[in-house]
Amino acid sequence: DVVMTQSPSSLAVSLGERATINCKSSRTLFYSPTNKSYLAWYQQKPGQAPRLLIYWASTRESGVPDRFSGSGSGTDFTLTISSLQAGDVAVYYCQQGFTLPYTFGQGTKLEIK
Amino acid sequence: DVQLVESGGDLVQPGGSLRLSCAASGFRISDSWMAWVRQAPGKGLQWVANIKYDGTVMNYVESVKGRFSISRDLAKNSIDLQMNSLRVDDSAVYYCVTQQGWGRFDSWGPGILVTVSS
Repeated sequence: DVVMTQSPSSLAVSLGERATINCKSSRTLFYSPTNKSYLAWYQQKPGQAPRLLIYWASTRESGVPDRFSGSGSGTDFTLTISSLQAGDVAVYYCQQGFTLPYTFGQGTKLEIK
Repeated sequence: DVQLVESGGDLVQPGGSLRLSCAASGFRISDSWMAWVRQAPGKGLQWVANIKYDGTVMNYVESVKGRFSISRDLAKNSIDLQMNSLRVDDSAVYYCVTQQGWGRFDSWGPGILVTVSS
């Protein structure tokens, strides 16, 4: 199975500051015929279902604010929140959709400093 | 708007069975891969199973193979997850999700709790 490792496990950032979450996969998620990396990011607020934020490593899902951005390719990926808002407090997960079984990172808990 | 609503969750003893259902609206399940993702209490997310839009392909995580079965009912526009030989570590909130492209989950139901305990 592809192992997804996120860092850090928890993060405290001041309002208006940048938050950066990293995700590393145990094998490449890049598929050259499509020139895409099959990596997605989700946000899960307390008591709610997860919400898709980013797919193909850097494509924002419809309706997601542009302060959320994804980058990376191959095995190393980053989710960046450019200016943290109070409503961004959540657990963030990366997930590979490259091969079965689809696997998630362990999650990064984002809090306000 | 896409809406997914799970039902069927309950408290069941180890070794027992349970059938979860997911009612879909706003789209046809015959147009989309569908999947189940679960989350044990206080833990992370785990993909459990999926079914192709035409019903010809089903996939499962290794830990549920031979015990769980995913199916669909086009007339009801719903998918089911039949869970047999349940174990304590199957306890989780189970989410019904739509799957787009290569394994990305773009719409989620609110989830339903399954508790396996004696």
